[in-house]
Amino acid sequence: ETGVTQTPRHLVMGMTNKKSLKCEQHLGHNAMYWYKQSAKKPLELMFVYSLEERVENNSVPSRFSPECPNSSHLFLHLHTLQPEDSALYLCASSQDFGAPYEQYFGPGTRLTVT
Amino acid sequence: GENVEQHPSTLSVQEGDSAVIKCTYSDSASNYFPWYKQELGKGPQLIIDIRSNVGEKKDQRIAVTLNKTAKHFSLHITETQPEDSAVYFCAASSGQETSYDKVIFGPGTSLSVIP
Repeated sequence: ETGVTQTPRHLVMGMTNKKSLKCEQHLGHNAMYWYKQSAKKPLELMFVYSLEERVENNSVPSRFSPECPNSSHLFLHLHTLQPEDSALYLCASSQDFGAPYEQYFGPGTRLTVT
Repeated sequence: GENVEQHPSTLSVQEGDSAVIKCTYSDSASNYFPWYKQELGKGPQLIIDIRSNVGEKKDQRIAVTLNKTAKHFSLHITETQPEDSAVYFCAASSGQETSYDKVIFGPGTSLSVIP
């Protein structure tokens, strides 16, 4: 148990659906991250929030929309996804943003787009 | 930008043997190198990290070495146990606290320890 929870753990959605992924951290951290993990590829950073402000948007398509209402919660809103968006989506948090701070990862949401 | 390569992509060892995973990076400004372990059904978890002012760091059965001149670093696991079976990711960044520097991950090594 890392102190970072993600729901749902599995999600199957059609290309025309709208769904949201939720992440919650119970560590009192100030920074939160969304990563995409595809088979045989490195972890891809998608978004970074520090104190609820987005500090990084790594050229992610607009069909992915993040939301950080407070420092404990992070959402990823999904709409009109493509099959190639099927992947494991990982949320992480760290004490503050910046590389030296250990990132604590949640278990991920396994997303399948049909 | 930074690029991190990792080898091998898969590794099988007998229980009790050692395992070595090697990574190279491209940005000479990188000075922080964490290693993460991802077990099945879980997110990655930091197991050890090293900074460029140190050539080697050990923590029980795991050790990491860094060669800044050659821009490569390695993870060494001794006396492997079945619970060491997982995917291991190396990563690199410039490690500045005053600005955001992305941690760039390698593609991962799937380690299997055979009992």
